[in-house]
Amino acid sequence: DQQVKQNSPSLSVQEGRISILNCDYTNSMFDYFLWYKKYPAEGPTFLISISSIKDKNEDGRFTVFLNKSAKHLSLHIVPSQPGDSAVYFCAARGSNYKLTFGKGTLLTVNP
Amino acid sequence: SQTIHQWPATLVQPVGSPLSLECTVEGTSNPNLYWYRQAAGRGLQLLFYSVGIGQISSEVPQNLSASRPQDRQFILSSKKLLLSDSGFYLCAWGRSPGEKLFFGSGTQLSVL
Repeated sequence: DQQVKQNSPSLSVQEGRISILNCDYTNSMFDYFLWYKKYPAEGPTFLISISSIKDKNEDGRFTVFLNKSAKHLSLHIVPSQPGDSAVYFCAARGSNYKLTFGKGTLLTVNP
Repeated sequence: SQTIHQWPATLVQPVGSPLSLECTVEGTSNPNLYWYRQAAGRGLQLLFYSVGIGQISSEVPQNLSASRPQDRQFILSSKKLLLSDSGFYLCAWGRSPGEKLFFGSGTQLSVL
């Protein structure tokens, strides 16, 4: 049972445009959500997070939006840069304090 | 500052051989430690986590085991590797359960 879903395995955007990465979850007990970025052959690095009591968190070019009623969150990257090309993982924290990760979305930013 | 070290970076092992992957954390004490695996085309699967020395919780029944002989050392082992053990193994640490994790650079394991 996949509780955190990233339904788009890949996304391609042009440099300078907006990248929108989506994540859906099924467990209403999730209270904290995170986005990680991963380059090939490297470990994931933390990007940005959001608590369930908020609906938006912004950090530079990265903004995460949370829609609790829809059990949906998204990561916006504006403007997209070629160095943003990587796999992006969505993760959620449950009542057992463990993080559950999605399968990831490969973002390619074309120059 | 805190750092996490994981080695080796790549490993090719024959089926039936043993495995030992090591992970150490510096710059913090009593970290929560985790082993994750990313298999081809799949997400990050939690294998083991530890909240203290000698305390190991297993998430998925499997051919692997974990040990924490020291506060900042986490070891992933197997007595006999299977083909299905191939994947990218990641060690991670966190300050407390549920907080953001900091990952090591990973080990690409190929079992042939």
